[in-house]
Amino acid sequence: AQSVTQLGSHVSVSEGALVLLRCNYSSSVPPYLFWYVQYPNQGLQLLLKYTTGATLVKGINGFEAEFKKSETSFHLTKPSAHMSDAAEYFCAVSSGNTPLVFGKGTRLSVIA
Amino acid sequence: GAVVSQHPSRVICKSGTSVKIECRSLDFQATTMFWYRQFPKKSLMLMATSNEGSKATYEQGVEKDKFLINHASLTLSTLTVTSAHPEDSSFYICSAQQGAQGYGYTFGSGTRLTVV
Repeated sequence: AQSVTQLGSHVSVSEGALVLLRCNYSSSVPPYLFWYVQYPNQGLQLLLKYTTGATLVKGINGFEAEFKKSETSFHLTKPSAHMSDAAEYFCAVSSGNTPLVFGKGTRLSVIA
Repeated sequence: GAVVSQHPSRVICKSGTSVKIECRSLDFQATTMFWYRQFPKKSLMLMATSNEGSKATYEQGVEKDKFLINHASLTLSTLTVTSAHPEDSSFYICSAQQGAQGYGYTFGSGTRLTVV
């Protein structure tokens, strides 16, 4: 079975500050890892994904994440937060032929 | 890029009636689609996996007779909430899997169902 733990249900940062959203996973097989963003009353938009290859993955809107197998982590970062980054962020894991398993989500607030 | 269209985006219905939600892959064929339910300020809960031409696989605790899923073509899956009750009010989201690689998932924009 696979699972995802997102540390911190709510993260608040100042505009221009570093964004760090934490994600740890559990998987008995090589994982495929994803970060999604959700704005109120909308579906999920893919920010980035890791499947194989380079462990540092760059996504849209300046986000990136690094797959660290030894730490079973896939933390999401962005050097400088923007007001428009305020949203709910979900980390998810899959084995490739299974449905995505989501973490509980982290709500990011950006303070002006 | 891949687009999944989900309709309607919002629906209000009376208790006891049925509501159908459609999920269409617009520019790719989706042999597998997934239906999720999201409670307020909560994560996505997988309800069922829908495979084209076969019966859906439901997750434990999801009532098959209440949440009818049909995946009659490679581009369309439907979720029908039958005899809806207020506790069925929720945000429902579909996702379509691209190809056989298993790592291409595209989500619909969701349907806000309110049962009054």
